[in-house]
Amino acid sequence: DTEVTQTPKHLVMGMTNKKSLKCEQHMGHRAMYWYKQKAKKPPELMFVYSYEKLSINESVPSRFSPECPNSSLLNLHLHALQPEDSALYLCASSQGVGREITGELFFGEGSRLTVL
Amino acid sequence: AQTVTQSQPEMSVQEAETVTLSCTYDTSESDYYLFWYKQPPSRQMILVIRQEAYKQQNATENRFSVNFQKAAKSFSLKISDSQLGDAAMYFCAYCRKTSYDKVIFGPGTSLSVIP
Repeated sequence: DTEVTQTPKHLVMGMTNKKSLKCEQHMGHRAMYWYKQKAKKPPELMFVYSYEKLSINESVPSRFSPECPNSSLLNLHLHALQPEDSALYLCASSQGVGREITGELFFGEGSRLTVL
Repeated sequence: AQTVTQSQPEMSVQEAETVTLSCTYDTSESDYYLFWYKQPPSRQMILVIRQEAYKQQNATENRFSVNFQKAAKSFSLKISDSQLGDAAMYFCAYCRKTSYDKVIFGPGTSLSVIP
């Protein structure tokens, strides 16, 4: 059973649409991540939130807008995407607290995005 | 800059046999974590095994074990008694202890298990 829940599992959108991906974890983790993954490739880091503050933005285009409403939730707002943005979007979390840091990432199942 | 290399894009193993996946990395740090993540066709990526660089003893988790060679910057994964459920993409990964939020993934090895 996954402890990081992502919705929706599949999303098809046009280039003019606005949609959002959602992620939730209840493990008390204080760091949450968005990754983009193309087929048979490793995940590429997009954003990191640490203690609900954006700590890393890997030069992601502004058509992707992250939001962390609270320590359990992470959203990724999508607007005016391009076909090349079609990918699997993975949410992850990690402990991120002092001596408890193990570096382990806990992943959700992902949201498969198709941009037409 | 740190890099992670997996030189075997694809591998296959007979069920019940043993297979070793290779990983090398490059870093100037002395304290870091190394990981093997598994991503089955159902997509959820899970941690298989983790190694702390300052620990000389190789990590083991049931049928999974690593051969950690710090000086050679090598971190291979051995899967014993391979099972059909082991078929997946395997990613070797690295992060600095002081930068746990920046995990660097290798390109991955696709493992097939032949019944």
